[in-house]
Amino acid sequence: QVQVVESGGGVVQPGTSLRLSCEDSGFMFSAYSMHWVRQAPGKGLEWVASISYDGGNEYYSDSMEGRFTISRDNSKNTLYLQMTSLRHEDTALYYCAREFQEWDLDNWGQGTLVTVSS
Amino acid sequence: QSALTQPASVSGSPGQSITISCTGTSNDVGSYNLVSWYLQHPGKGPELMIYEGTKRPSGVSSRFSASKSGNTAFLTISGLQAEDEAVYYCCSYGGNNNLLFGGGTRLTVL
Repeated sequence: QVQVVESGGGVVQPGTSLRLSCEDSGFMFSAYSMHWVRQAPGKGLEWVASISYDGGNEYYSDSMEGRFTISRDNSKNTLYLQMTSLRHEDTALYYCAREFQEWDLDNWGQGTLVTVSS
Repeated sequence: QSALTQPASVSGSPGQSITISCTGTSNDVGSYNLVSWYLQHPGKGPELMIYEGTKRPSGVSSRFSASKSGNTAFLTISGLQAEDEAVYYCCSYGGNNNLLFGGGTRLTVL
């Protein structure tokens, strides 16, 4: 059974950094591209970033490029999102998801909540 | 403001059919056959309902169908059931290796 579990969220001050993790099981993690998508409280979904199956290609939303870095460790079946210079508007539930087919995402986790507050 | 435009809400009675629209541009919805639809129940992560424009993943009911005309994609749910009540998001490849979501449509089953 495919399982995707995000962790690492919390309450942080503006300007600080945080690293999110997404541990995956039940499928061949190293064969799939993976994505991060976020959802601000009461708002819609916003794509954050994606990484190819082997980590060779990374893509970012224009609004987050330069502050966020996506990475993966295929030996640990884990996806990461390093976030720096956090802003109030980065407050959101962060989901990771598997790229089922080209740019189609299945097997989303329950998300991990990041709250940026002074 | 979301990149793709969806109605904020739609409603229907059990057994009826409803259609949700998703309007983009010639640079995204209109250019690629890479529109997907997601359902989100309160407090849960999104679930893939339609991919590659019209295809249903294994396990998704045939009551869900999708189409596209020009820069607008459509999700149709036939034979509405109470369990269909949720927020539905459309999504399209936006070119230049990025993904665009709609603002979401809340479906109410009356």
